[in-house]
Amino acid sequence: DTEVTQTPKHLVMGMTNKKSLKCEQHMGHRAMYWYKQKAKKPPELMFVYSYEKLSINESVPSRFSPECPNSSLLNLHLHALQPEDSALYLCASSLVGGRMKMNTEAFFGQGTRLTVV
Amino acid sequence: ILNVEQSPQSLHVQEGDSTNFTCSFPSSNFYALHWYRWETAKSPEALFVMTLNGDEKKKGRISATLNTKEGYSYLYIKGSQPEDSATYLCASPRGGGTSYGKLTFGQGTILTVHP
Repeated sequence: DTEVTQTPKHLVMGMTNKKSLKCEQHMGHRAMYWYKQKAKKPPELMFVYSYEKLSINESVPSRFSPECPNSSLLNLHLHALQPEDSALYLCASSLVGGRMKMNTEAFFGQGTRLTVV
Repeated sequence: ILNVEQSPQSLHVQEGDSTNFTCSFPSSNFYALHWYRWETAKSPEALFVMTLNGDEKKKGRISATLNTKEGYSYLYIKGSQPEDSATYLCASPRGGGTSYGKLTFGQGTILTVHP
């Protein structure tokens, strides 16, 4: 199984709502990532978890709250988002590569298309 | 800041044409260079991860070369087919130590292969 599964595929939420994005992989990968992709832009890293611990937060606003409850699951909790947060949110996973230098490929999910109204 | 740049931004070719595009990146503190293919409504899919200067990798009709001293990689597609239509992204990790996992992506090259 080389799949990264993200749910839901589409999400529309109001600015006062609380919602969660989910990501699951069963490849035994111990590094998991959240990326954000706006239209016509490349994916931008938000968070990295390594061995279920948050290792990188790219100065993401606190209205985005990641969680890694176990080695197969990654969540992104959303609260009080703004319309400009509308984007495609991609989850990815990888082996923790040698010398921690990202020399192994990342496996991506199909993403959650989020619209904030 | 790591600037990864790709050219051209988009490319239209006829079925059967061979094509290539470029990814450039800072040559200092190089760790790895990733190529991904991203078809519409699908997941980005890894094509190659390259780490050694002079490396050349091949997967079917697609191949890639790497020059870490001058900071560029080429992706070649031989005999393009309509199913090769996709966005091709290159990416490189930044930093070291606690910077693990910071993949910086280029803007991508959108390839359209016309039957």
